[in-house]
Amino acid sequence: QVQLQQSGPGLVKPSQTLSLTCSISGDSVSSTNAIWNWLRQSPSRGLEWLGRTYHRSRWYDDYAVSVRSRMIVKPDTSKNQVSLQLSSVTPEDTAIYYCVRGGAGTAAGLFDSWGQGTLVTVSS
Amino acid sequence: EIVLTQSPGTLSLSPGETAALSCRASQTFGGGYLAWYQQKPGQAPRLLIYATSSRATGIPDRFSGGGSGTAFTLTINRLEPEDFAVYYCQHYDDSPPWTFGQGTKVEI
Repeated sequence: QVQLQQSGPGLVKPSQTLSLTCSISGDSVSSTNAIWNWLRQSPSRGLEWLGRTYHRSRWYDDYAVSVRSRMIVKPDTSKNQVSLQLSSVTPEDTAIYYCVRGGAGTAAGLFDSWGQGTLVTVSS
Repeated sequence: EIVLTQSPGTLSLSPGETAALSCRASQTFGGGYLAWYQQKPGQAPRLLIYATSSRATGIPDRFSGGGSGTAFTLTINRLEPEDFAVYYCQHYDDSPPWTFGQGTKVEI
C-alpha cells in the first residue's frame, strides 16, 4: 500500500520560496507506472493541479500555466522522495498542498493515493 | 480545458436515504474518464469511482457512478453516517491540466 508523507514549513513570507517534500513508501519515485503530482486546495480556487514529475526512459515534468514560471517538481531517487518548490509566493498561494500519485497512460490524471496535506500560509 | 459543474451545492439528507449527485461537463470527452472523490473534514480526498462507474479498491457497493457525454452522476444508496462529506468529480486522461468540480456537500 502506497503511503505519501509530506513535510515542510507551514508559514512562508511573501516573495520567498515555498518548499515541500513528499516521502514515498510502497512505491518508487522511479516507477514507470506512476506519476508524482502536486495539487493544492483553497476556498477560492478549489482543487487545483499544479505540476508533476515522472520517469519513463528519462525524467519528465510539466506544470499548470498558472504556476509554470515559478514552480519546480523534482525527484530524489536516493531518498525516494519528490519535492515542490514554488518561488515568489504571494498570499494567493495560501492553500493546503497535496502530494498525489497518478497512474500511467490514460490514468495519468487519476489520483489514487494522497499525502496528508500541508497547510501553507503566506504571510509576513 | 473542461469545466465541471456540480449540483446541488449542498444536499441535506438522513442516514438510510439515497443521495444523487450531478456533475456536468462543458464538453464531451472520450473514454468515460470521469472520477469521483470523497473528502471528509481535515482529510485528503479519497478516490471512490473511476472510469465513470468503476469502484476503487475497498469502496462499498452502495456507491455507484453513471452517465455519459456531458452528464454524470454519483449515487449513494442507504447513506451511512460516515458518508456525510464533500464529493468532487474530476475529468482525467493522459494529459494535464486536469480539473475538478467545485464539490457537493452531503450533510445530515
